[in-house]
Order: sequence, then C-alpha cells, then structure tokens
Amino acid sequence: QVEQSPQSLIILEGKNCTLQCNYTVSPFSNLRWYKQDTGRGPVSLTIMTFSENTKSNGRYTATLDADTKQSSLHITASQLSDSASYICVVSAGSNYQLIWGAGTKLIIKP
Amino acid sequence: GAVVSQHPSWVICKSGTSVKIECRSLDFQATTMFWYRQFPKQSLMLMATSNEGSKATYEQGVEKDKFLINHASLTLSTLTVTSAHPEDSSFYICSARDPSIAGGYLQTQYFGPGTRLLVL
Repeated sequence: QVEQSPQSLIILEGKNCTLQCNYTVSPFSNLRWYKQDTGRGPVSLTIMTFSENTKSNGRYTATLDADTKQSSLHITASQLSDSASYICVVSAGSNYQLIWGAGTKLIIKP
Repeated sequence: GAVVSQHPSWVICKSGTSVKIECRSLDFQATTMFWYRQFPKQSLMLMATSNEGSKATYEQGVEKDKFLINHASLTLSTLTVTSAHPEDSSFYICSARDPSIAGGYLQTQYFGPGTRLLVL
C-alpha cells in the first residue's frame, strides 16, 4: 500500500537526489519520512498532513500531493553521512495505523 | 530529541531458549510503546502496541503467547521471545511516544537502536 522507488540509488557526494513514495491507503492522515542507518532504529525527518505540500528539515525537503497520493524526498548537496535507507510511512485509518514502505537504500560515494 | 534505549543490542541464543529485550525511554515517560520486527532488506513490521498498566495489543498473525510483552512502568517495556526458533532471528526495534509533547496523532515516534537476535 506504500511503494517506494527506486529500491536503491548510488550518487556522488555533493549531488542532489529525489526519492519517490506512492501510496494507496485511505483515509489518509499524515505521511512521514524516516532515515534508518544500517543496524539502527529509524529517525524521523518530516511529518506532513494532507493539507501540507512541502516541509523542509535542513537539506531534506519533502513534498506531498494528496490528490495523486504521491510524495517525494529531495536531498540537496548530499554528504557521505546521508548513506542510509529512507522509509516513507503513511498514517491511515481511524486508529492512525502506520503503513511502512520498503525503503530506498541510498549510497553516497566520495 | 527524546532518547529510547534497547538492551541488549545483539544476542545469540540456542533454539528453545527464551530471550528478553528491554526498551527504555530515558528522558520521558511513555504510556505507549511499540514493538517492531525487521527482516533483512524489508521494512519494519509492527508486532504489538504496549500500553503501560494494561495488556498489549498484538497485530494479526503475531502470537501473543510466543512474544510476551510487559509494560510495567512508564519508562520500561520488555519483549520476551519464548522458545525461540531460528525463524525468530530478526532485528527487533521498539519505539515510544512522548505524551507530554503536543501533536496528538502527529506525534513523532522515537525509535530505539534495535536488538539483533540470532537463534542457532
């Protein structure tokens, strides 16, 4: 119900990249992006409700189109420490259940 | 941000034994904690919701008698994997919400560092 693309991505340090998330769950409450380093727990990057189109957190900018049920996470001027899995999570339903995407594995090369 | 710890960070045990994993909120009181399981190259899967002072709510397909959850205090929840088998080998992650922070359902879940379990 939450699909992310690409599954993996390799870019050079300093370059920008955009990760995609499409969801079909409803009723939609909010959408979250998490960063998960290998062998660690996820860390929240952004949380957006259906009325928000964009939200930034430093070099991370998330966008949301609730009409097309699409979200993206844009990373600017990538750093080696950005290497991680980025997971899109949609909160839906009357009990705000979290539906987790499979994540995009991002590798930043020097 | 809030800090959630887990102990142990990794554990190896023999098949048939029980393993207890602790999840602590270090600088806030968490009335609700969540337990997740993550298999390699897969996303997190919610196992159960742990409520302080009451029984945990398990997700469909999760055996409550095999995965015992105890949330005896506002800062500690434990997950005990009973009679562990090799297929229980996984990465177990807990998270907690800080009820003192406004935001209701938008509240961020703070995740622990995870516990890697290997059952031989």
